[in-house]
Amino acid sequence: GAGVSQSPRYKVAKRGQDVALRCDPISGHVSLFWYQQALGQGPEFLTYFQNEAQLDKSGLPSDRFFAERPEGSVSTLKIQRTQQEDSAVYLCASSLGADTQYFGPGTRLTVL
Amino acid sequence: GENVEQHPSTLSVQEGDSAVIKCTYSDSASNYFPWYKQELGKRPQLIIDIRSNVGEKKDQRIAVTLNKTAKHFSLHITETQPEDSAVYFCASGKGGTYKYIFGTGTRLKVLA
Repeated sequence: GAGVSQSPRYKVAKRGQDVALRCDPISGHVSLFWYQQALGQGPEFLTYFQNEAQLDKSGLPSDRFFAERPEGSVSTLKIQRTQQEDSAVYLCASSLGADTQYFGPGTRLTVL
Repeated sequence: GENVEQHPSTLSVQEGDSAVIKCTYSDSASNYFPWYKQELGKRPQLIIDIRSNVGEKKDQRIAVTLNKTAKHFSLHITETQPEDSAVYFCASGKGGTYKYIFGTGTRLKVLA
C-alpha cells in the first residue's frame, strides 16, 4: 500500500516568510509524528497527534511553529516568520496506535 | 533530559566482515528500541526493532541485543555487503506514545 507522503519535497523560503508543510499518513494510522532533522544529525521530536488531538508538542522549538491535524488524517506543520536556523529536513511519521513508526521522505526546508 | 548516545559516528568495514553499532539510553522507562537505515536523501527505514521483554532478536544478517540493566543496545550486521552502506540510527521509545529519542547516527561504509 501507499506509504507516508510529504509535500513539498523541497522548499526555499526567504527569511521572514511563512511556510506550510503537508503530511499524508498511511491510511488508518492513528498516530502521527513530526520530527526535525538537521544536517548530519538524528531526527528530533517536534510533536505528536493521536487522531486529531495534539497530545505532545513539547519539541516545538518556538511559538513560530504550529501543527494541526483537524480531521485526524492529513497534518500540516506551519512555520511563521522563518529564520535561517529553521533550515532542516522535516520528517513526518505515522503508526497504527503505539507501534512502529513509518517515515515519509521528508521536506527539505532552506531559509535564505 | 532524555538522550541516546550512539557510537561510532563512522564505521568502515571490508565486504563480508561484521559491523557493530552501539547505543546507550538514559530513560529507564524506555521499552521499545528500533533501528533505522537512512540512505542519502531518502526516508529512514525500519530494519529491526526489539522490545524490552526480550534480550536478542535476529533477522537474517541483522541482529539486535538489549541489556536493560546497563541500558545498552547494539546492532550487529554480519556478512556486510556494499548495499549496507548508509547511515544507521538507533532510537528509544516508551509505552503509550512511543515518542522516539534518536541517536546521532553511524555512517557505515562497506568497502568492496
